[in-house]
Amino acid sequence: ETGVTQTPRHLVMGMTNKKSLKCEQHLGHNAMYWYKQSAKKPLELMFVYNFKEQTENNSVPSRFSPECPNSSHLFLHLHTLQPEDSALYLCASSQERGNQETQYFGPGTRLLVL
Amino acid sequence: AQTVTQSQPEMSVQEAETVTLSCTYDTSESDYYLFWYKQPPSRQMILVIRQEAYKQQNATENRFSVNFQKAAKSFSLKISDSQLGDAAMYFCAYRSAGWSSGSARQLTFGSGTQLTVLP
Repeated sequence: ETGVTQTPRHLVMGMTNKKSLKCEQHLGHNAMYWYKQSAKKPLELMFVYNFKEQTENNSVPSRFSPECPNSSHLFLHLHTLQPEDSALYLCASSQERGNQETQYFGPGTRLLVL
Repeated sequence: AQTVTQSQPEMSVQEAETVTLSCTYDTSESDYYLFWYKQPPSRQMILVIRQEAYKQQNATENRFSVNFQKAAKSFSLKISDSQLGDAAMYFCAYRSAGWSSGSARQLTFGSGTQLTVLP
């Protein structure tokens, strides 16, 4: 499945590092999402971009900063993370304002913060 | 706010047998979408099946079918002729059909059911 790709697939970083996660969708969709999946917790929506509008989950710490330069690319910039931020970060995309409401997911980036 | 509940953390099924995974949800909306996703050990989240709330007919995709009971707010997944490749974590998810804000478009996931297929 190459509809939604994510890089890197694995990332280990220290708490003082700055890194970025990249997501690219090849499906012609106009909405993109970041989700966080921690062990033994339901997936949590972090950010949504749709028609260049961003919706931010109020509980997302400022050490996570999204960027959506165009409808095909989505970034998640990370800085001064904490060990509890270690998780699987999933990107998804969908076509909004049509009848195709389904979100398609990328393979995820497994992040470990030391 | 909507909630999705999967009351079975783990299920197992014999290969070639049928298994049903349960999901209930709570919402005050009348128009919405429901999904089942599977997440195998590779962690790729894969869409299994989806259901529009306005459709009374239960969705079917090959060996996968749902029992959608709107009044009861129940959305169970039936897997027929189970195969070893069906082993995965299965998530039920809800999505509003509203357009007003990004939060209305988010998927709300249940906690998942880990399905084991026994040879």
